[in-house]
Amino acid sequence: QVQLVESGGGVVQPGGSLRLSCAASGFTFSSYGMHWVRQAPGKGLEWVAFIRYDGSNKYYADSVKGRFTISRDNSKNTLYLQMNSLRAEDTAVYYCAKDRQGDYDYWGQGTLVTVSS
Amino acid sequence: EIVLTQSPATLSLSPGERATLSCRASQSVSSYLAWYQQKPGQAPRLLIYDASNRATGIPARFSGSGSGTDFTLTISSLEPEDFAVYYCQQRSNWPPRVTFGPGTKVDIK
Repeated sequence: QVQLVESGGGVVQPGGSLRLSCAASGFTFSSYGMHWVRQAPGKGLEWVAFIRYDGSNKYYADSVKGRFTISRDNSKNTLYLQMNSLRAEDTAVYYCAKDRQGDYDYWGQGTLVTVSS
Repeated sequence: EIVLTQSPATLSLSPGERATLSCRASQSVSSYLAWYQQKPGQAPRLLIYDASNRATGIPARFSGSGSGTDFTLTISSLEPEDFAVYYCQQRSNWPPRVTFGPGTKVDIK
Protein backbone atom coordinates (compact mmCIF):
# COMPACT_ATOMS: atom_id res chain seq x y z
CA GLN A 1 0.00 0.00 0.00
CA VAL A 2 1.09 3.57 -0.62
CA GLN A 3 2.90 5.15 2.31
CA LEU A 4 4.27 8.65 2.65
CA VAL A 5 6.14 9.53 5.81
CA GLU A 6 7.26 13.09 6.47
CA SER A 7 10.01 14.12 8.86
CA GLY A 8 12.14 17.12 9.70
CA GLY A 9 9.63 19.47 11.26
CA GLY A 10 10.33 21.39 14.43
CA VAL A 11 10.67 24.83 15.99
CA VAL A 12 12.83 27.38 14.18
CA GLN A 13 13.42 31.08 14.65
CA PRO A 14 12.27 33.64 12.08
CA GLY A 15 14.83 33.86 9.31
CA GLY A 16 15.99 30.32 9.94
CA SER A 17 16.04 27.23 7.73
CA LEU A 18 14.64 23.73 7.85
CA ARG A 19 14.62 20.75 5.49
CA LEU A 20 11.65 18.43 5.34
CA SER A 21 11.80 14.90 3.96
CA CYS A 22 9.10 12.56 2.72
CA ALA A 23 9.89 8.86 2.39
CA ALA A 24 7.68 7.09 -0.15
CA SER A 25 6.86 3.41 -0.52
CA GLY A 26 4.24 1.15 -2.07
CA PHE A 27 4.36 2.70 -5.54
CA THR A 28 6.88 3.50 -8.26
CA PHE A 29 8.05 6.82 -6.85
CA SER A 30 10.07 7.74 -9.94
CA SER A 31 6.92 7.67 -12.10
CA TYR A 32 4.90 10.29 -10.25
CA GLY A 33 4.97 13.98 -9.56
CA MET A 34 4.89 14.98 -5.91
CA HIS A 35 3.57 17.94 -3.97
CA TRP A 36 3.96 19.71 -0.68
CA VAL A 37 0.74 21.11 0.80
CA ARG A 38 0.50 22.95 4.10
CA GLN A 39 -2.15 23.77 6.66
CA ALA A 40 -1.74 26.55 9.22
CA PRO A 41 -3.20 25.79 12.66
CA GLY A 42 -6.99 25.84 12.48
CA LYS A 43 -6.93 26.94 8.84
CA GLY A 44 -7.50 25.47 5.39
CA LEU A 45 -5.19 23.82 2.89
CA GLU A 46 -2.60 25.64 0.77
CA TRP A 47 -0.58 24.11 -2.06
CA VAL A 48 3.13 24.91 -1.63
CA ALA A 49 5.19 23.24 -4.34
CA PHE A 50 5.22 20.54 -7.02
CA ILE A 51 7.97 18.60 -8.75
CA ARG A 52 7.56 16.44 -11.83
CA TYR A 53 8.41 12.72 -11.72
CA ASP A 54 11.91 13.26 -13.06
CA GLY A 55 12.61 16.60 -11.38
CA SER A 56 12.55 18.40 -14.74
CA ASN A 57 10.01 21.02 -13.68
CA LYS A 58 9.26 22.61 -10.34
CA TYR A 59 6.47 24.99 -9.40
CA TYR A 60 5.93 27.09 -6.30
CA ALA A 61 3.17 29.09 -4.66
CA ASP A 62 3.85 32.82 -4.78
CA SER A 63 3.99 32.87 -0.98
CA VAL A 64 7.13 30.69 -0.90
CA LYS A 65 8.81 31.41 -4.24
CA GLY A 66 12.46 32.30 -3.82
CA ARG A 67 12.57 30.92 -0.27
CA PHE A 68 11.59 27.26 -0.61
CA THR A 69 13.11 24.61 -2.88
CA ILE A 70 11.51 21.28 -3.72
CA SER A 71 13.71 18.39 -4.82
CA ARG A 72 13.68 14.61 -5.01
CA ASP A 73 16.04 11.65 -4.99
CA ASN A 74 14.43 8.86 -6.99
CA SER A 75 17.18 6.43 -5.97
CA LYS A 76 16.09 6.90 -2.34
CA ASN A 77 12.34 7.28 -2.99
CA THR A 78 12.47 10.54 -1.09
CA LEU A 79 11.01 14.00 -1.58
CA TYR A 80 12.48 17.10 0.05
CA LEU A 81 11.49 20.66 0.86
CA GLN A 82 14.28 23.07 1.75
CA MET A 83 12.78 26.05 3.56
CA ASN A 84 14.88 29.20 4.02
CA SER A 85 14.12 32.68 5.37
CA LEU A 86 11.25 31.26 7.38
CA ARG A 87 8.51 33.57 8.61
CA ALA A 88 5.87 33.27 11.30
CA GLU A 89 3.25 32.79 8.58
CA ASP A 90 5.03 29.63 7.43
CA THR A 91 3.95 27.92 10.65
CA ALA A 92 1.87 24.95 9.55
CA VAL A 93 1.60 21.21 9.20
CA TYR A 94 3.38 20.28 5.98
CA TYR A 95 2.06 17.31 4.03
CA CYS A 96 3.65 15.55 1.11
CA ALA A 97 1.15 14.23 -1.39
CA LYS A 98 1.28 12.06 -4.50
CA ASP A 99 0.12 13.77 -7.67
CA ARG A 100 -2.94 12.69 -9.61
CA GLN A 101 -2.72 15.23 -12.45
CA GLY A 102 -3.03 18.24 -10.19
CA ASP A 103 -4.96 16.79 -7.32
CA TYR A 104 -3.68 14.49 -4.58
CA ASP A 105 -4.56 10.84 -4.23
CA TYR A 106 -2.35 9.94 -1.27
CA TRP A 107 -1.11 12.05 1.63
CA GLY A 108 1.42 11.63 4.39
CA GLN A 109 0.53 12.19 8.03
CA GLY A 110 2.22 15.60 8.06
CA THR A 111 5.04 17.24 9.99
CA LEU A 112 4.61 20.42 12.06
CA VAL A 113 6.82 23.43 11.41
CA THR A 114 6.67 26.22 13.98
CA VAL A 115 8.42 29.50 13.29
CA SER A 116 8.77 31.43 16.52
CA SER A 117 11.32 33.34 18.52
CA GLU B 1 -6.97 33.38 -9.48
CA ILE B 2 -10.00 31.13 -9.30
CA VAL B 3 -11.74 31.42 -5.95
CA LEU B 4 -13.77 28.55 -4.52
CA THR B 5 -16.63 29.23 -2.13
CA GLN B 6 -18.11 26.44 -0.02
CA SER B 7 -21.50 26.45 1.65
CA PRO B 8 -22.66 26.09 4.26
CA ALA B 9 -19.67 26.69 6.53
CA THR B 10 -21.14 24.24 9.03
CA LEU B 11 -23.76 21.56 8.51
CA SER B 12 -25.33 20.00 11.60
CA LEU B 13 -26.97 16.67 10.89
CA SER B 14 -27.79 13.36 12.55
CA PRO B 15 -26.46 9.93 11.54
CA GLY B 16 -28.57 8.49 8.76
CA GLU B 17 -29.45 11.87 7.29
CA ARG B 18 -28.45 13.06 3.82
CA ALA B 19 -25.72 15.70 3.54
CA THR B 20 -25.49 18.08 0.61
CA LEU B 21 -22.37 20.25 0.37
CA SER B 22 -21.86 22.97 -2.22
CA CYS B 23 -18.73 24.33 -3.91
CA ARG B 24 -18.92 27.27 -6.28
CA ALA B 25 -16.07 28.54 -8.48
CA SER B 26 -15.55 32.18 -9.48
CA GLN B 27 -15.12 31.03 -13.09
CA SER B 28 -15.52 27.76 -14.94
CA VAL B 29 -13.22 24.93 -13.90
CA SER B 30 -14.83 22.45 -16.31
CA SER B 31 -14.90 19.14 -14.38
CA TYR B 32 -11.51 19.62 -12.75
CA LEU B 33 -12.80 19.54 -9.21
CA ALA B 34 -11.93 17.23 -6.33
CA TRP B 35 -13.34 16.70 -2.84
CA TYR B 36 -11.38 15.75 0.26
CA GLN B 37 -12.38 14.67 3.75
CA GLN B 38 -10.30 15.63 6.77
CA LYS B 39 -10.80 14.39 10.31
CA PRO B 40 -9.16 16.08 13.32
CA GLY B 41 -5.46 15.31 13.55
CA GLN B 42 -5.46 13.44 10.25
CA ALA B 43 -4.35 14.16 6.71
CA PRO B 44 -6.96 14.89 4.05
CA ARG B 45 -8.27 11.95 2.06
CA LEU B 46 -9.31 12.12 -1.59
CA LEU B 47 -12.99 11.26 -1.99
CA ILE B 48 -13.97 12.44 -5.47
CA TYR B 49 -11.92 13.54 -8.46
CA ASP B 50 -12.95 15.12 -11.75
CA ALA B 51 -16.23 16.17 -10.16
CA SER B 52 -17.92 12.77 -10.04
CA ASN B 53 -15.41 9.92 -9.85
CA ARG B 54 -15.00 8.15 -6.53
CA ALA B 55 -11.42 7.55 -5.47
CA THR B 56 -10.16 4.08 -4.62
CA GLY B 57 -11.87 2.58 -1.58
CA ILE B 58 -14.44 5.35 -1.13
CA PRO B 59 -17.91 4.06 -0.17
CA ALA B 60 -20.77 4.45 -2.61
CA ARG B 61 -22.67 6.73 -0.20
CA PHE B 62 -20.33 9.52 -1.36
CA SER B 63 -21.17 11.03 -4.73
CA GLY B 64 -20.16 14.15 -6.60
CA SER B 65 -21.86 16.10 -9.34
CA GLY B 66 -21.61 19.34 -11.27
CA SER B 67 -19.50 21.06 -13.89
CA GLY B 68 -18.47 24.57 -14.80
CA THR B 69 -18.93 26.65 -11.66
CA ASP B 70 -21.35 24.69 -9.43
CA PHE B 71 -20.53 21.41 -7.73
CA THR B 72 -22.13 19.24 -5.07
CA LEU B 73 -20.87 16.54 -2.76
CA THR B 74 -23.64 14.30 -1.45
CA ILE B 75 -23.41 11.82 1.39
CA SER B 76 -26.54 9.75 1.04
CA SER B 77 -26.78 8.53 4.63
CA LEU B 78 -24.31 9.81 7.21
CA GLU B 79 -22.29 7.28 9.14
CA PRO B 80 -20.64 8.24 12.44
CA GLU B 81 -17.21 8.30 10.76
CA ASP B 82 -18.38 10.86 8.18
CA PHE B 83 -18.44 13.78 10.60
CA ALA B 84 -15.44 15.78 9.42
CA VAL B 85 -14.38 18.80 7.36
CA TYR B 86 -14.78 18.60 3.59
CA TYR B 87 -12.71 20.64 1.14
CA CYS B 88 -13.14 21.14 -2.58
CA GLN B 89 -10.14 21.82 -4.83
CA GLN B 90 -9.85 22.87 -8.48
CA ARG B 91 -7.03 22.15 -10.91
CA SER B 92 -8.26 23.78 -14.11
CA ASN B 93 -5.12 25.92 -14.45
CA TRP B 94 -2.76 23.11 -13.52
CA PRO B 95 0.16 23.36 -13.70
CA PRO B 96 0.77 25.15 -11.57
CA ARG B 97 -2.34 26.80 -10.20
CA VAL B 98 -4.65 24.96 -7.87
CA THR B 99 -6.94 26.39 -5.21
CA PHE B 100 -8.84 24.97 -2.29
CA GLY B 101 -12.15 26.02 -0.87
CA PRO B 102 -12.38 27.09 2.80
CA GLY B 103 -14.12 23.89 3.85
CA THR B 104 -17.49 22.75 5.20
CA LYS B 105 -17.63 21.19 8.63
CA VAL B 106 -20.21 18.43 9.03
CA ASP B 107 -20.93 17.97 12.70
CA ILE B 108 -23.33 15.93 14.78
CA LYS B 109 -26.65 17.56 15.56
